[in-house]
Amino acid sequence: SYELTQPPSVSVSPGQTARITCSGDALPKQYAYWYQQKPGQAPVLVIYKDSERPSGIPERFSGSSSGTTVTLTISGVQAEDEADYYCQSADSSGTFSVFGGGTKLTVL
Amino acid sequence: QITLKESGPTLVKPTQTLTLTCTFSGFSLSTSGVGVGWIRQPPGKALEWLALIYWDDDKRYSPSLKSRLTITKDTSKNQVVLTMTNMDPVDTATYYCAHTRLLWFGESGTNWFDPWGQGTLVTVSS
Repeated sequence: SYELTQPPSVSVSPGQTARITCSGDALPKQYAYWYQQKPGQAPVLVIYKDSERPSGIPERFSGSSSGTTVTLTISGVQAEDEADYYCQSADSSGTFSVFGGGTKLTVL
Repeated sequence: QITLKESGPTLVKPTQTLTLTCTFSGFSLSTSGVGVGWIRQPPGKALEWLALIYWDDDKRYSPSLKSRLTITKDTSKNQVVLTMTNMDPVDTATYYCAHTRLLWFGESGTNWFDPWGQGTLVTVSS
């Protein structure tokens, strides 16, 4: 079955830039999406179609794509950004959705 | 404003069938491109996509769980129902429903989940 691979954890100090990657063979053919999940809460969409930002999401959140890897970048990380982040995409045919294993962002 | 809310049993016994209902407002499942998906999350673990249904009754299932899942919609009631058979303790999780949109690009489609319901914790135990 198709899988998306994320690093389990990323740590940064406040004000620094955090980069979270997501790798998958179908990513050159499929868009990727990013969700932020804080403890006890439902996930929230922070990036759609690789690099678009929904209304209400701070400008410090951005996304990019290169080959089989997509990246979520958080510039000027704030303490409130500490959360789990999940990428989501689809298989090459666009039939099935899939989530990455999640990355825990720790703000030191 | 789109809202979704999951409802169903909080405790089921092994081998039983789980039935969850997603009741939504702020959109119609008769609108082209619109759908509702189900995603679950075992305690302390990652999100797992389960199934989704589109406005045209197109149904998609996770390949690994397809034999156990059924998704249906009642457009007049603004509800989507997910059933999962033969429940096991490993199915203990928070189950979420979410609004989704289908976007075609070229010959392929893409979808994303936004917003999500608050989730409902289902425990499988005898």
